[in-house]
Amino acid sequence: QSALTQPPSASGSPGQSVTISCTGTSNDIGVYNFVSWYQQHPGKAPKLMIYEVTKRPSGVPDRFSASKSGNTASLTVSGLQAEDEGDYYCSSYAGRSNLVFGGGTKLTVL
Amino acid sequence: QVQLVESGGGVVQPGTSVRLSCAVSGFSFRNYGMHWVRQAPGRGLQWVAGTSHDGGDKEYADFVQGRFTISRDNSKDTVYLDMNSLRSDDSAVYYCARAPSSGSFPNWFDPWGQGTLVTVSS
Repeated sequence: QSALTQPPSASGSPGQSVTISCTGTSNDIGVYNFVSWYQQHPGKAPKLMIYEVTKRPSGVPDRFSASKSGNTASLTVSGLQAEDEGDYYCSSYAGRSNLVFGGGTKLTVL
Repeated sequence: QVQLVESGGGVVQPGTSVRLSCAVSGFSFRNYGMHWVRQAPGRGLQWVAGTSHDGGDKEYADFVQGRFTISRDNSKDTVYLDMNSLRSDDSAVYYCARAPSSGSFPNWFDPWGQGTLVTVSS
């Protein structure tokens, strides 16, 4: 059982927007602004998409955005494209030198 | 071009040990903290351990319980994960990943290596 809770699946048609939630507690997401999001394609390494709640690394399209409210973080993918299909994982610092991940959300582009 | 290449995985028997290596290139290794993250087959990601840029600070996930040791050799641009008393639930792809700064603080990681598979089975 993962420390952060994500929906197992999400989907949308090309061009649409989809939001993936990541729910933690007041011991992780609720207190630290160290939430990150990763994209993983089958058989590949995870790729950083968002760090420190809302920041996008260079090279990540601005179609990817994120936010946090209380104990829940969210990743929004706008203008869905076929290459956005994959697994998405959130993570958060949880204090005492511990990092926790969500269970992952499989995003399907219909 | 930044590259992280893991090695050392394979099939090992329960109770035995294995050393994973992660050789990096394309950036100044000695300036960055490094971490190991694992992913059991079909499962999610799990942070394992991290080391500061000089190896002076090390952090471990609670489940490690003294069985794993992270280390680094800055003269070889390589980070290691020594795993002892292996159990079947340690079976996973083990990724090394670069931290955003010099410390061992587990925050976010970029980039990641391609991973090395460890299968613990008799």
